[in-house]
Amino acid sequence: NAGVTQTPKFQVLKTGQSMTLQCAQDMNHNSMYWYRQDPGMGLRLIYYSASEGTTDKGEVPNGYNVSRLNKREFSLRLESAAPSQTSVYFCASTLRGGYNSPLHFGNGTRLTVT
Amino acid sequence: AQKVTQAQTEISVVEKEDVTLDCVYETRDTTYYLFWYKQPPSGELVFLIRRNSFDEQNEISGRYSWNFQKSTSSFNFTITASQVVDSAVYFCALSEQWANFGNEKLTFGTGTRLTIIP
Repeated sequence: NAGVTQTPKFQVLKTGQSMTLQCAQDMNHNSMYWYRQDPGMGLRLIYYSASEGTTDKGEVPNGYNVSRLNKREFSLRLESAAPSQTSVYFCASTLRGGYNSPLHFGNGTRLTVT
Repeated sequence: AQKVTQAQTEISVVEKEDVTLDCVYETRDTTYYLFWYKQPPSGELVFLIRRNSFDEQNEISGRYSWNFQKSTSSFNFTITASQVVDSAVYFCALSEQWANFGNEKLTFGTGTRLTIIP
């Protein structure tokens, strides 16, 4: 059981560079999420996709874009990376949304922007 | 807006001691869910428990127990006879309905780093 798979695990970018974080789940879940984790801030929602074909902004969407490529895959793109985007990024999925379904998380991507 | 407060930033206890992690929440909804997640040193977040707002029964799972009290808006987590493997960051989270869009939102606390000293 792979669960939620994120790539890459580590990435270093220079300010202004772009990159895409990949996420795929094999649990046939409908909803997928991108969070960032910063010291003392807990996890904050960047974007989510309640179902295939839909995406919506979360708490901290500025500087990011997402694509729900299909039911399995949900990517996060940084068009022009900034040092403030240095963080650990987690992808998560649930069967039908977070209200009464627990999240299944990937192992995270540690991103450093210099 | 909903809010989750974990006032204990870091806790250290000696192995085999009991430890309680506090979680206080704020919400205007009458229907909501509370969760606890564990983040071990390896980094992934692992679901521990879910509790809905209509069920105030305490729950026990092995050495873990949870005390949900609506009167004080708290959902505390106790580890009995702690072990080194319990060392992790623990997050409390609240999920309530977004009134405008009918979608779900999960708000996390800032986490409590628990260190079990052998």
